[in-house]
Amino acid sequence: SQQGEEDPQALSIQEGENATMNCSYKTSINNLQWYRQNSGRGLVHLILIRSNEREKHSGRLRVTLDTSKKSSSLLITASRAADTASYFCATGEILTGGGNKLTFGTGTQLKVEL
Amino acid sequence: DTGVSQDPRHKITKRGQNVTFRCDPISEHNRLYWYRQTLGQGPEFLTYFQNEAQLEKSRLLSDRFSAERPKGSFSTLEIQRTEQGDSAMYLCASSSGDSPRGETQYFGPGTRLLVL
Repeated sequence: SQQGEEDPQALSIQEGENATMNCSYKTSINNLQWYRQNSGRGLVHLILIRSNEREKHSGRLRVTLDTSKKSSSLLITASRAADTASYFCATGEILTGGGNKLTFGTGTQLKVEL
Repeated sequence: DTGVSQDPRHKITKRGQNVTFRCDPISEHNRLYWYRQTLGQGPEFLTYFQNEAQLEKSRLLSDRFSAERPKGSFSTLEIQRTEQGDSAMYLCASSSGDSPRGETQYFGPGTRLLVL
């Protein structure tokens, strides 16, 4: 079953614009991660944010986490055509032995046009 | 390239046949995961290994599925008596296990299975 729900399901913007994707989830989490997937490079990890963190940055990416609202957002600034991909949020549940079970949402398809 | 590798990348089989996929994790990563992804969906967790021990299995993993990691390095996922519903992308991921509150999982390119 899918834990997260991304919104919007699809987003089309012009190069140079910012893109914001949202993720809502249902149960308590230890961490939340964002991944990007395209046919050329498979599933690539972008950012991990832990439940006691509110915001993290990595290059042109900014992720926020609001555990009271059970939601997260991913902001991509100054988008490029190469950012065209599907973006997934994944909530992490700590397993026996310390492993991290990721439960993915259905993804946001981002298209950045020249 | 020292990332996660998977073999084969594509597999077409007939219903009822057995298939086996292999995953080679990043060297020295002690945690290994298998996920399954169907078209238009995000990946779904199947199972997890800490070294050679299989510590968690999803209810999605029916008795036709078996996974091993015999020496704590590479892993295999076998599907017996394949069904058309098994058609999906099978993804392997590994992580270093160095954080008690969750760490990055690095995914391989996946094996795309088509059952005819």
